[in-house]
Amino acid sequence: GDSVTQMEGPVTLSEEAFLTINCTYTATGYPSLFWYVQYPGEGLQLLLKATKADDKGSNKGFEATYRKETTSFHLEKGSVQVSDSAVYFCALSDNTNAGKSTFGDGTTLTVKP
Amino acid sequence: DTGVSQDPRHKITKRGQNVTFRCDPISEHNRLYWYRQTLGQGPEFLTYFQNEAQLEKSRLLSNRFSAERPKGSFSTLEIQRTEQGDSAMYLCASSLHRDRGNEQFFGPGTRLTVL
Repeated sequence: GDSVTQMEGPVTLSEEAFLTINCTYTATGYPSLFWYVQYPGEGLQLLLKATKADDKGSNKGFEATYRKETTSFHLEKGSVQVSDSAVYFCALSDNTNAGKSTFGDGTTLTVKP
Repeated sequence: DTGVSQDPRHKITKRGQNVTFRCDPISEHNRLYWYRQTLGQGPEFLTYFQNEAQLEKSRLLSNRFSAERPKGSFSTLEIQRTEQGDSAMYLCASSLHRDRGNEQFFGPGTRLTVL
């Protein structure tokens, strides 16, 4: 079945540091890929997505590129802020009739001033 | 606010009791999903509806769990004879199914604690 593997956390960075959170996936067919974020006390919300190979999703300074050859979708940000502290989930959607999502276990990011 | 809502936000129950959760999706969304999330893990798919039809159920969904979406709008998830292992966050999400990359919009979740 489909699966998503994320870099284990927690990750602690200083403000303005560079962020990478690794994500690799296993899927049959051609999934769409997502990063969701969960801020403290809030629900999951979509951060960015990519629907085909070599697509780059971007939002709020975060980026991730759909790499079919390495089955990866790593999340990056050039300069993190304290407000980026949250749990980040990588996910794939199977693009079959169901469209259900498979999630990684999440990576907790803490950014210190 | 026209996002996905869930009720209740928290539920504490004793083992063996039945509980029911409600989800109100975004009004024009035709798909509704239920997920379960335990501490330190990502959401796990339970079941989904297209309009009022329940089209898929995960193997995680034992026969004590039942979900309905009677008019293709709100949905309920019932757990009968709750067990301590049912303690988790139950998430509802909705989407407008078109083609690839349909974004799912999540509700705040219902946190269930079974004593």
